[in-house]
Amino acid sequence: NAGVTQTPKFRVLKTGQSMTLLCAQDMNHEYMYWYRQDPGMGLRLIHYSVGEGTTAKGEVPDGYNVSRLKKQNFLLGLESAAPSQTSVYFCASSYSEPRDESPRLYGYTFGSGTRLTVV
Amino acid sequence: DAKTTQPNSMESNEEEPVHLPCNHSTISGTDYIHWYRQLPSQGPEYVIHGLTSNVNNRMASLAIAEDRKSSTLILHRATLRDAAVYYCILRDLLFLIQGAQKLVFGQGTRLTINP
Repeated sequence: NAGVTQTPKFRVLKTGQSMTLLCAQDMNHEYMYWYRQDPGMGLRLIHYSVGEGTTAKGEVPDGYNVSRLKKQNFLLGLESAAPSQTSVYFCASSYSEPRDESPRLYGYTFGSGTRLTVV
Repeated sequence: DAKTTQPNSMESNEEEPVHLPCNHSTISGTDYIHWYRQLPSQGPEYVIHGLTSNVNNRMASLAIAEDRKSSTLILHRATLRDAAVYYCILRDLLFLIQGAQKLVFGQGTRLTINP
């Protein structure tokens, strides 16, 4: 059981380049999320998805697009990278309802992150 | 979303208990108290959650004040591996935005464990 897997783990982009970050989960979670984390700040929600084919904006969505064509995958795209998008990106997933029979299943499961640098 | 207040940093010694406080004076009756922690260079991981009663699991204990305006995460015997940023988060089960329950992270408490 791999949990949440993010690829790539590291990437350096030039300003204006595009790229896609991939998040895959094998826990059959309905919900998936993309967060970014900057030095000295907490995690901020970029976009999220409540199911296949459905996405919604979070707190800081500008400059990013997402797609969820399959339940297990959630893609984060940068169409034209900017230095302000230098950050560590975390993907997470969760069930749609709390599973109190196993409290550990109640929470979010996070990936290990993608460190992106835009120069 | 109701807010939480945590100390920026705390320090403790290995093999001693650690009490991490969290204030949430505006908590509502349907808010669950969640704790996550983020080890260096890793994503956050779920630690524990509770509503009104104290909770225990293999990782930690959660003590919730009777008025629910504060809570304390207790690590009974800290190890060097417990050095992390600990986040106290309120999560309202009745508040759904398109069915998703957003997890809102604050600054957390950076816990340092001395050998």
